[in-house]
Amino acid sequence: QSALTQPASVSGSPGQSITISCTGTSSDVGGYNYVSWYQQHPGKAPKLMIYDVSHRPPGVSNRFSGSKSGNTASLTISGLQAEDEADYYCMSYTSRSTRVFGGGTQLTVL
Amino acid sequence: EVQLVESGGGLVQPGGSLRLSCAASGFTFSSYDINWVRQAPGKGLEWVSYISGSGNIIHYGDSVKGRFTISRDNDKSSLYLQMNSLRAEDTAVYYCARDGPYGSGHYYWGQGTLVTVSS
Repeated sequence: QSALTQPASVSGSPGQSITISCTGTSSDVGGYNYVSWYQQHPGKAPKLMIYDVSHRPPGVSNRFSGSKSGNTASLTISGLQAEDEADYYCMSYTSRSTRVFGGGTQLTVL
Repeated sequence: EVQLVESGGGLVQPGGSLRLSCAASGFTFSSYDINWVRQAPGKGLEWVSYISGSGNIIHYGDSVKGRFTISRDNDKSSLYLQMNSLRAEDTAVYYCARDGPYGSGHYYWGQGTLVTVSS
């Protein structure tokens, strides 16, 4: 199972919006509405930010939103803040009943 | 409060074995599916294995299939990962991550335990 494809890095200035893409295939991202997104700060466990493509768990800022089109899912962060600087990973359910992560995207807030 | 606490990591030689544990508390353990996820030093997350709440459905990632065995003891609220034929590329922090209560996402994670495979 190949990892989902994410850009290695993205950056933005405070207050701006950024979007991180996550590209898979019809056997994972495109086939199911089971894409989740995780934020990870250095030395910390991942934190769930988005589940089932576009749903936010309680306590996650509404500045974070998710969507999907075809085989590509996206995470958008609006009104960038310094605390958003972290690594972000997408994860999808697959046709083999396994899960697969993206390679991760490092977000830099300029 | 939901807690997941991994243990059992350490230094092991290539070809050796290690058994990781994940002790759960704060929820009805048998009601939830759980996963192992690992992260090599400086690298991204890699999904390793899944076990259903009852223990009768199990899945593995291709890189560990045939070498790793996931299991659980619902009476002890514990999850295990038996790792055999370890390779240098298995060096990573291993996390247990619970499914639910939010759809397909892993909301609860442990703090991780480091496994180092080296001679």
